Amino acid sequence: EAQVTQNPRYLITVTGKKLTVTCSQNMNHEYMSWYRQDPGLGLRQIYYSMNVEVTDKGDVPEGYKVSRKEKRNFPLILESPSPNQTSLYFCASSLSNRGARSTEAFFGQGTRLTVV
Amino acid sequence: KNEVEQSPQNLTAQEGEFITINCSYSVGISALHWLQQHPGGGIVSLFMLSSGKKKHGRLIATINIQEKHSSLHITASHPRDSAVYICAFGGSNYKLTFGKGTLLTVNP
Repeated sequence: EAQVTQNPRYLITVTGKKLTVTCSQNMNHEYMSWYRQDPGLGLRQIYYSMNVEVTDKGDVPEGYKVSRKEKRNFPLILESPSPNQTSLYFCASSLSNRGARSTEAFFGQGTRLTVV
Repeated sequence: KNEVEQSPQNLTAQEGEFITINCSYSVGISALHWLQQHPGGGIVSLFMLSSGKKKHGRLIATINIQEKHSSLHITASHPRDSAVYICAFGGSNYKLTFGKGTLLTVNP
C-alpha cells in the first residue's frame, strides 16, 4: 500500500531535549516536505527536499533541521525543542512539486508534539 | 495579506445539500490542491489541478486561472463529508502555500 509513515504519532518532551520525528515513504517520490499546523494559522511549510541531499527552507524553518540521505526517508530534527514548537506536524511526499510537473501529495498521519 | 483566501470559514449544511467552497489566490500558480482533514485525522489529497475541472465521485473541483479562483463542490452531501477542506497552491518553486481551511459540518 502506498503510504507515508510518520513516527511517533504522539510525543511529549521537555524543553531542550533533542528529538527526531521520522518520515518514510514507499512510493519512490522525489519531493518530501514537513509542515506544522497550528490553530488559526493553518499549515505552514518548515523544510522541503527536492531529492536526495537537496533540501531548502520553507516559511518557518527556525529551530528545525532536516536531512535527506536516502530517497525514502526525511527525518525532522529538533535540536533544542521549545514550547513554541508544540504543534501538529505532517510529513508529505509527491512525485514532483514543481510547476507544471506538480503531482498529487500524500500526507503522513501526523505527529502531535508537546514541549513542556 | 494571505496569498490564499478561503470562504466560507465555517459551513453548516443539511444532508443532501449541494456545497461550494471557494479559494482565491493572489499570485500566479502552477497547480492547486484540495485537501481534506477529518477531526483528529490525517490529511488526504482530493484533487490536484492546474486548469479546467476534475470530478471524483460526488466531488468536483474547478479552477479559473485568469480569475485566480478555484471551487470545490460536493453534491448530495452526507454527514461523512464533515471535515476541514484546505486549498493550497504551488508555484514555479517547490513550495506549497495553504489556505486556513473551511470547516464543513453536514447534519443528518
